[in-house]
Amino acid sequence: EADIYQTPRYLVIGTGKKITLECSQTMGHDKMYWYQQDPGMELHLIHYSYGVNSTEKGDLSSESTVSRIRTEHFPLTLESARPSHTSQYLCASSESYTQYFGPGTRLTVL
Amino acid sequence: AQSVTQPDIHITVSEGASLELRCNYSYGATPYLFWYVQSPGQGLQLLLKYFSGDTLVQGIKGFEAEFKRSQSSFNLRKPSVHWSDAAEYFCAVGARMDSSYKLIFGSGTRLLVRP
Repeated sequence: EADIYQTPRYLVIGTGKKITLECSQTMGHDKMYWYQQDPGMELHLIHYSYGVNSTEKGDLSSESTVSRIRTEHFPLTLESARPSHTSQYLCASSESYTQYFGPGTRLTVL
Repeated sequence: AQSVTQPDIHITVSEGASLELRCNYSYGATPYLFWYVQSPGQGLQLLLKYFSGDTLVQGIKGFEAEFKRSQSSFNLRKPSVHWSDAAEYFCAVGARMDSSYKLIFGSGTRLLVRP
């Protein structure tokens, strides 16, 4: 099972601020993913990467951006946070068909 | 289109009782199937997965699931539920779309356990 870390775990921030959600994994997995999950709802894929310098948008349109400069690191950035961005963000990684998830970041934008 | 349906939004069982959570999928090819569990405020933990072979799959924490191709189902079971099993359970199917591979999740089933 992968060791995958997300920071911060909780973030409360004001509208208009730039934020970066960190995600790191120690297993050397090539594939990494970001999901957005509203309380009590299913997960929606917003970004994924199949390796360094590879990023793709997911099924749910998101104003966030991602980068993949190192295999182990897949940060997500919101240039200008809005209340509509309030949600839980889950990062995952995989080496094949099984995805392993981090603990998530719960973001609240006031 | 590929999809996953979990018909039960909430299920309540008594501690010690048996449990079955339903999952139906729609996918044209042989699916890769997963069950994950999510405790409040946490990420998803993999319970078990099915790729091929024996259709009865054993997982962690005493859970098992059975793949039934004829019914397009992958139901999760546990013979005796513990209070610590109270959580949200997600079924997912791994699907190939164009050149990518993605997990498609159901909307989840919240399990409540009565003392």
